[in-house]
Amino acid sequence: GESVGLHLPTLSVQEGDNSIINCAYSNSASDYFIWYKQESGKGPQFIIDIRSNMDKRQGQRVTVLLNKTVKHLSLQIAATQPGDSAVYFCAEITGNQFYFGTGTSLTVIP
Amino acid sequence: KAGVTQTPRYLIKTRGQQVTLSCSPISGHRSVSWYQQTPGQGLQFLFEYFSETQRNKGNFPGRFSGRQFSNSRSEMNVSTLELGDSALYLCASRLVAGVHEQYFGPGTRLTVT
Repeated sequence: GESVGLHLPTLSVQEGDNSIINCAYSNSASDYFIWYKQESGKGPQFIIDIRSNMDKRQGQRVTVLLNKTVKHLSLQIAATQPGDSAVYFCAEITGNQFYFGTGTSLTVIP
Repeated sequence: KAGVTQTPRYLIKTRGQQVTLSCSPISGHRSVSWYQQTPGQGLQFLFEYFSETQRNKGNFPGRFSGRQFSNSRSEMNVSTLELGDSALYLCASRLVAGVHEQYFGPGTRLTVT
């Protein structure tokens, strides 16, 4: 099966700082990549996606970078807020199948 | 528009029993996928249903099964429960199979004792 891993299981940042969450993937044929946010007691929530033919995409306070050479994906959150505390997953989509990483737990320190 | 709903939210079962979980997708969504989430394995894909047909299946034993009704509501069943089946079971819906944006429900927390 696919292997989608995350570099760090936990990340703590000071409120107002920028956060960077990383993800490694294994299948160079993947079509899409998505970042999800999961708050305690809730299901994952779509944050941002990126096609495999792009290397950067920006949303509101978030930027996803895709480096296909090293099969690496990152999520950057600008001016991190307490409400950003959650587990973040990357997902790799190959064909019609989703493969998820185990998640990075982000804690924002006020 | 109401989101994806799952019932029940919490469930405690004993080894050997069976369980049925229910998922109602967002109105108009015809594709429903099921995932198992555990701390060690993350989200693992179980299966996807579209128009009452199973379209994809993950690498789970035959004890895990599902179905979808004509109104797109879906159920999954786990028979002969094992301790390792304790997990959060998430349902996700999307408009049609092949669309990348899918919406997750809050999950059903299953504990097997």
